[in-house]
Amino acid sequence: DTGVSQDPRHKITKRGQNVTFRCDPISEHNRLYWYRQTLGQGPEFLTYFQNEAQLEKSRLLSDRFSAERPKGSFSTLEIQRTEQGDSAMYLCASSPSGPSYEQYFGPGTRLTVT
Amino acid sequence: KQEVTQIPAALSVPEGENLVLNCSFTDSAIYNLQWFRQDPGKGLTSLLLIQSSQREQTSGRLNASLDKSSGRSTLYIAASQPGDSATYFCPGHGNNRLAFGKGNQVVVIP
Repeated sequence: DTGVSQDPRHKITKRGQNVTFRCDPISEHNRLYWYRQTLGQGPEFLTYFQNEAQLEKSRLLSDRFSAERPKGSFSTLEIQRTEQGDSAMYLCASSPSGPSYEQYFGPGTRLTVT
Repeated sequence: KQEVTQIPAALSVPEGENLVLNCSFTDSAIYNLQWFRQDPGKGLTSLLLIQSSQREQTSGRLNASLDKSSGRSTLYIAASQPGDSATYFCPGHGNNRLAFGKGNQVVVIP
């Protein structure tokens, strides 16, 4: 069990560019979540997958954001036409099937839009 | 929409003192509750999970309780150490998502 991993750990991009982040959950965890955290705030929910199905999306996930989880394993989060307001830490978490829903977080990807 | 309030927002204590962190929820229909810590620039580390049928959970120097009727949870850290310095979160589980407050920022002074 190597924990949840995220890549890259840091990303600096210019406004208007597209970026893609990857999350690898703990193996055999069928639930995967994306959150966004800005400085001084708690994480905010973005979206949730159960296996390959995206079951819930927050209103924070504008049309410029898209998330996928092909084959129910790793997940990607893409942001198109980045804006300075997208600068944040993007966190991924996974949880196993079963009633506990205990979530395990990755180290996050820090995005800076210049 | 679940809203979480954490009190105090920030505190500094000398090493060895006990810490009490409080969390309250606007919607007391909480399924499970997890306490996390976050070090600056890092991800979240799970400390304790209180499942729906439980009222408290203990791990080493940490004890967390949950009162669903009042929508409150408390994290107690005994004999604080400088390594306990972090921001602590107590999101409520509900509807496939965690709802976070702003956290309790703790500094333990050696």
